[in-house]
Amino acid sequence: AAGVIQSPRHLIKEKRETATLKCYPIPRHDTVYWYQQGPGQDPQFLISFYEKMQSDKGSIPDRFSAQQFSDYHSELNMSSLELGDSALYFCASSATGVGDTQYFGPGTRLTVL
Amino acid sequence: AQRVTQPEKLLSVFKGAPVELKCNYSYSGSPELFWYVQYSRQRLQLLLRHISRESIKGFTADLNKGETSFHLKKPFAQEEDSAMYYCASQHHNTDKLIFGTGTRLQVFP
Repeated sequence: AAGVIQSPRHLIKEKRETATLKCYPIPRHDTVYWYQQGPGQDPQFLISFYEKMQSDKGSIPDRFSAQQFSDYHSELNMSSLELGDSALYFCASSATGVGDTQYFGPGTRLTVL
Repeated sequence: AQRVTQPEKLLSVFKGAPVELKCNYSYSGSPELFWYVQYSRQRLQLLLRHISRESIKGFTADLNKGETSFHLKKPFAQEEDSAMYYCASQHHNTDKLIFGTGTRLQVFP
């Protein structure tokens, strides 16, 4: 069965650069979630979208923005990168939003030098 | 605010021994609770959710509202159970998951 796809899998950037992470949900899933997992930490919710509209927002820095496109894929844009942004970024998708199972992608490992 | 606590960072057992991974939540309402597992170099996968009342790969978890706990149990651990286990909660009027810090389970032969 098709799973959530994330690209790139690994990304290395310098401080103050920008990065774009992409997430392709499972077909027919209309909700996308982004989580950030720092080294040795639990995943922290960043933001979610349902039917291309932002549905919830967590501890996402103002330097980050995200959107969901008409084909339901989502992009997380990160600007003015800081060393502390180095983390594993997970995307998850679900079919109906609240209460439905979230299926996770493999993650994008971002390293900021 | 919702909070999920997993007090053990590492749990080591021998094959065939019983396993209990502890999870406590703090929320006055009735959150939905999940256990996710992450095997080495793989993505987070849903193991089970309390609303389903299922047993997956021999694991079960019972919601105890009095103790606000959702401990994960398996009577006989297998080597292939070695992984990182995350307990997570979801409030019924939001869709985000609140994760615990995770417990690494090591099952020795």
